[in-house]
Amino acid sequence: EAGVAQSPRYKIIEKRQSVAFWCNPISGHATLYWYQQILGQGPKLLIQFQNNGVVDDSQLPKDRFSAERLKGVDSTLKIQPAKLEDSAVYLCASSLGLGNNEQFFGPGTRLTVL
Amino acid sequence: AQSVTQLGSHVSVSEGALVLLRCNYSSSVPPYLFWYVQYPNQGLQLLLKYTSAATLVKGINGFEAEFKKSETSFHLTKPSAHMSDAAEYFCAVSDHTNAGKSTFGDGTTLTVKP
Repeated sequence: EAGVAQSPRYKIIEKRQSVAFWCNPISGHATLYWYQQILGQGPKLLIQFQNNGVVDDSQLPKDRFSAERLKGVDSTLKIQPAKLEDSAVYLCASSLGLGNNEQFFGPGTRLTVL
Repeated sequence: AQSVTQLGSHVSVSEGALVLLRCNYSSSVPPYLFWYVQYPNQGLQLLLKYTSAATLVKGINGFEAEFKKSETSFHLTKPSAHMSDAAEYFCAVSDHTNAGKSTFGDGTTLTVKP
């Protein structure tokens, strides 16, 4: 069974530029999560989808971050414009559904904002 | 509201020694609890989970954890450390009544000395 795929693995941009990350969850997984992991900290949930609907985006900085999951499969997370403090690893995870809390994580995208 | 505190951001043990990583949680409802391991440049991998069944949970790679409600703890142990156990470990709590939202601790880096 293929795992959660993410791309790119690394990205370096200058502040005020925009960037997008892509995630392909495990086939059949209805729930998809985006986390931000700052160096030295645990993952922080940014947004959670159930199929193509948003379940929780309370910690998503909506003035600069956006995410979508069209057709309930792949998802993209965008930052526009980026700030220095956005430097982090962005992790995508998926699970079978809301009632099954075992999450499977992708390798992450390491973003550096200069 | 839910939270996790991991005591000790760095733990160092000798190969063959007992591993003990501490986790205390706070949750307003009966929690689900998880331990994940993260190797460098990789995503998180589930080690074990507690979902209100047996209080002693056995996971992969010889790890186990015991849920102690009276102490609000879920400490991770392994009788004998191996060099390959060197990694970062995250404890997480999930409020399964809130769409499965998970809150992670800040992690403990385990170093294994030869």
